[in-house]
Amino acid sequence: DTEVTQTPKHLVMGMTNKKSLKCEQHMGHRAMYWYKQKAKKPPELMFVYSYEKLSINESVPSRFSPECPNSSLLNLHLHALQPEDSALYLCASSHGQGTVDEQYFGPGTRLTVT
Amino acid sequence: GESVGLHLPTLSVQEGDNSIINCAYSNSASDYFIWYKQESGKGPQFIIDIRSNMDKRQGQRVTVLLNKTVKHLSLQIAATQPGDSAVYFCAENSGYSTLTFGKGTMLLVSP
Repeated sequence: DTEVTQTPKHLVMGMTNKKSLKCEQHMGHRAMYWYKQKAKKPPELMFVYSYEKLSINESVPSRFSPECPNSSLLNLHLHALQPEDSALYLCASSHGQGTVDEQYFGPGTRLTVT
Repeated sequence: GESVGLHLPTLSVQEGDNSIINCAYSNSASDYFIWYKQESGKGPQFIIDIRSNMDKRQGQRVTVLLNKTVKHLSLQIAATQPGDSAVYFCAENSGYSTLTFGKGTMLLVSP
């Protein structure tokens, strides 16, 4: 199984809502990532989890809160978002054991904040 | 030919042509590079990677060339097909086992 799954595929939320994005992989990878991607732009790294611990936070606003319940799951909790947060949110995973290597991406969640 | 659009450089080719997509990277200390393909509405898909101890690597219909002297990376696609139409991103390792993505090039293949 070389797949990273993400749910939901699409999400529309108001600025006062609380929602969560979910990501799952069963490749035994120990590093998991959240990226944000705006239209016609490259993915921008938000968070990195290594061995279920947050290792990198790229100065992301606190209205985005990541969580790694176990080595296969990664969540992104959303609260009080702004319209400019509308984007494609991508999850990725990699072996994460030593040197940098290929990251496997999920299909993304298309988020619209109204 | 290659043109620079308002937001994303675009390379337009005919089916059956060979395509060359270029990427300039910034960090001379980067030692790992990847090419990803992203189709509309999908996540990036791995194409090929190369480590800095190599200058060329070949896959199925694809070749990556690395020139560390001028910090340049290229992706060559042989016999380009309509299914190759997508946005292509190069990425370099930027420390701490993370990747930094380039701006991307849109490849349009016409029959």
